[in-house]
Amino acid sequence: GAVVSQHPSRVICKSGTSVKIECRSLDFQATTMFWYRQFPKQSLMLMATSNEGSKATYEQGVEKDKFLINHASLTLSTLTVTSAHPEDSSFYICSASGGDSTDTQYFGPGTRLTVL
Amino acid sequence: AQSVTQLDSQVPVFEEAPVELRCNYSSSVSVYLFWYVQYPNQGLQLLLKYLSGSTLVKGINGFEAEFNKSQTSFHLRKPSVHISDTAEYFCAVTYSGGYQKVTFGTGTKLQVIP
Repeated sequence: GAVVSQHPSRVICKSGTSVKIECRSLDFQATTMFWYRQFPKQSLMLMATSNEGSKATYEQGVEKDKFLINHASLTLSTLTVTSAHPEDSSFYICSASGGDSTDTQYFGPGTRLTVL
Repeated sequence: AQSVTQLDSQVPVFEEAPVELRCNYSSSVSVYLFWYVQYPNQGLQLLLKYLSGSTLVKGINGFEAEFNKSQTSFHLRKPSVHISDTAEYFCAVTYSGGYQKVTFGTGTKLQVIP
């Protein structure tokens, strides 16, 4: 149980384009989903927290107009990187909590974004 | 605010030897503690967690951790490591109850030597 998927696993795009990453909880209802960014050989940096049906709460320093988060259902959250630039290249990981385990976050496999 | 310290960035250990990965935290309130493992280019997998009760927590893949409140530690141990345990290990803390913002340590790279 507690499986979280992400799609795509890897994406390469041109500078100036937008990229959408999906995060799905496959076997539980995720009342809360989290989006993280991880730089090479570093820890995870929380970008934002989203509750189903509500606006996301962004961490300090994260541009909400650049990283659009939508949590439209209890099993799906999306992160859209708008007008991507090379410095947005990173590993993006989502996590979800809910169901019987509201105290634990379960992580997706991550999405490697490369902006040329 | 809570924080997590993983003092060892890398831990090399021979196959079948025991290993301990250290984690210390600071918080003024009760916390939940977690250990996650990350294999290259993958997300994080939950190894084990401490919420309450017994201070010795057993997880998957033969790992265990002990919560020590007086020393504010939550060290991860395995009596005999395998090559497949080579990965990055993250300790994490969150407040018990309420908002679930998790603070991660900087990670420890466990390198198992054949």
